[in-house]
Amino acid sequence: EDQVTQSPEALRLQEGESSSLNCSYTVSGLRGLFWYRQDPGKGPEFLFTLYSAGEEKEKERLKATLTKKESFLHITAPKPEDSATYLCAVQGAGNNRKLIWGLGTSLAVNP
Amino acid sequence: NAGVTQTPKFQVLKTGQSMTLQCAQDMNHNSMYWYRQDPGMGLRLIYYSASEGTTDKGEVPNGYNVSRLNKREFSLRLESAAPSQTSVYFCASEYLLGTAQEAFFGQGTRLTVV
Repeated sequence: EDQVTQSPEALRLQEGESSSLNCSYTVSGLRGLFWYRQDPGKGPEFLFTLYSAGEEKEKERLKATLTKKESFLHITAPKPEDSATYLCAVQGAGNNRKLIWGLGTSLAVNP
Repeated sequence: NAGVTQTPKFQVLKTGQSMTLQCAQDMNHNSMYWYRQDPGMGLRLIYYSASEGTTDKGEVPNGYNVSRLNKREFSLRLESAAPSQTSVYFCASEYLLGTAQEAFFGQGTRLTVV
């Protein structure tokens, strides 16, 4: 069964304190792994898509990496505005275009 | 650009009442989706539409119906609301070009069924 597990559930950082969020997945034939950011009371906002092991993508203070079993979202020198819930989702080869979503990591960055 | 617009933003229904959640996108995307988001459950797909005129069931379709009225609009109908349908509902449309894939979400509809 396709599955996505995110850890930790919650993370509190001081401004400037770098860290990583984890997304472990099992899927039959990965077509894509997606990272989204969700602010309270809003819909998810797209960050990255990764397609194959070894791929990396960056956007401002965020960098996403992918292996055959997991993805990391590295946050370098975070700012309070990076506080949000970060969601990971995968799309398997046999799922048409359906995404399997993780429960997210709630990140709080203190000034 | 408006992106994906959902109406209403909030709704309270009594058990057994019906309602339609509206969704419209102005990005000319072919694919559209309806999700529900519940604490501890994550986002779950209710229905999706790969193109105008087609719809398919997702993980949790029971109790819902959908209509892809045209390329822009994708509505979700609750025929007889139940307390178990209390949730936050998100509509999304999807950009596909080659291997590039990105979903755009609306702001959500917070539905309470009492």
